Amino acid sequence: AQSVAQPEDQVNVAEGNPLTVKCTYSVSGNPYLFWYVQYPNRGLQFLLKYITGDNLVKGSYGFEAEFNKSQTSFHLKKPSALVSDSALYFCAVRDERYYGGSQGNLIFGKGTKLSVKP
Amino acid sequence: IAGITQAPTSQILAAGRRMTLRCTQDMRHNAMYWYRQDLGLGLRLIHYSNTAGTTGKGEVPDGYSVSRANTDDFPLTLASAVPSQTSVYFCASSDGGAGANVLTFGAGSRLTVL
Repeated sequence: AQSVAQPEDQVNVAEGNPLTVKCTYSVSGNPYLFWYVQYPNRGLQFLLKYITGDNLVKGSYGFEAEFNKSQTSFHLKKPSALVSDSALYFCAVRDERYYGGSQGNLIFGKGTKLSVKP
Repeated sequence: IAGITQAPTSQILAAGRRMTLRCTQDMRHNAMYWYRQDLGLGLRLIHYSNTAGTTGKGEVPDGYSVSRANTDDFPLTLASAVPSQTSVYFCASSDGGAGANVLTFGAGSRLTVL
């Protein structure tokens, strides 16, 4: 069965330090992977996606993610964290059950709360 | 500003009552979705629509219905609300087409069923 796992409920980072938010996935075919961010009382916002090509994907707000097929991981990274990066981060994979029909049905992880302290 | 408008923002509802959550987009996206967000469970797909006139069931469709009479509107109806439907509901859309699509989300509707 398809799934996405975010093993950390919360990640705490000091401002200026690098951050990593972990994500692993399980799919039978080629994965289409996404990261979204949710600020308090807001909807989710797209950060970046991996479909094919380079394993290092660059996205919005200085975030990047590294696709690792052998480890079935898609960790979100940023070289230098900002206090304003504090939010809830969701990893997602396209749901293969709907392939060919709806292209946007995603399976989301449970989310990781990122807290960046000054 | 282009995007998705959801209403109401928040609602407290007695069990057994009927409720419709409204969703309107102005981006002319073909596909629309309803997700519910619950603490510790992430987001789960309720229903989706690939294009106007068509709908499909997602992961947790029981107790919910949708319609897609036109491109812009995608209302979600709870025919007889139950406490387990207390959640935050997000409407989303995407522009369809081949390949992976990016979802645009509304700000959400917080529903409490007592």
